[in-house]
Amino acid sequence: EVQLVESGGGLVQPGGSLRLSCAASGFTYSTYAMHWVRQAPGKGLEWVSVVTSSGASTDYADSVKGRFTISRDNSKNTLFLQMDSLRVDDTAVYYCAKGIAVIAGPLENWGQGTLVTVSS
Amino acid sequence: DIQMTQSPSSLSASVGDRVTITCQASQDISKYLSWYQHKPGKAPKLLIYDAFNLETGVPSRFSGSGSGTYFTFTISSLQPEDIATYYCQQYDDLPFTFGPGTTVDIK
Repeated sequence: EVQLVESGGGLVQPGGSLRLSCAASGFTYSTYAMHWVRQAPGKGLEWVSVVTSSGASTDYADSVKGRFTISRDNSKNTLFLQMDSLRVDDTAVYYCAKGIAVIAGPLENWGQGTLVTVSS
Repeated sequence: DIQMTQSPSSLSASVGDRVTITCQASQDISKYLSWYQHKPGKAPKLLIYDAFNLETGVPSRFSGSGSGTYFTFTISSLQPEDIATYYCQQYDDLPFTFGPGTTVDIK
């Protein structure tokens, strides 16, 4: 059974940093692209970032480009999202999601999410 | 970026009703569209991929169709457990974008 468990969320001040983690199990982690998606309070889903199976290629939504960095450790089956220069409008539940073998494809499985609150 | 729109933004229907949601892309995305179900406090769930393929384990009352810029999602007989928000998402081109969502509830 595929399991994705996010952690690392919390309260941070504007301009601060936070690092999210997503522990993956139940599948061959190193062969799938992985994504981050977020949902701000009362809003819809927003795709945030993707990393290829090897970690060699990444891409970001314009709203986070230059501030967020996605990475992965295939030896530990873990996905990361380093979030810097956080803004109030980054407040959201952040989900990690398993893609398919290539970068472009549906998000087959999702975690339960971790809440990030950016506030002074 | 490719913009996705959905219609309606919300709907209310009776148990057993046929429910249809539309999704439009701002440019041709071929068949590269998925549909997700999201219930409050839960992980989103993939229902349909490549416009019309039913994800394994998803009930057959859910279906999708369309290609290019116009897509539809149908629940053939609405059940109480289908109360949720439904999102389309394109993965033809980065950044992958979601529609704004359609909230479905029971009349």
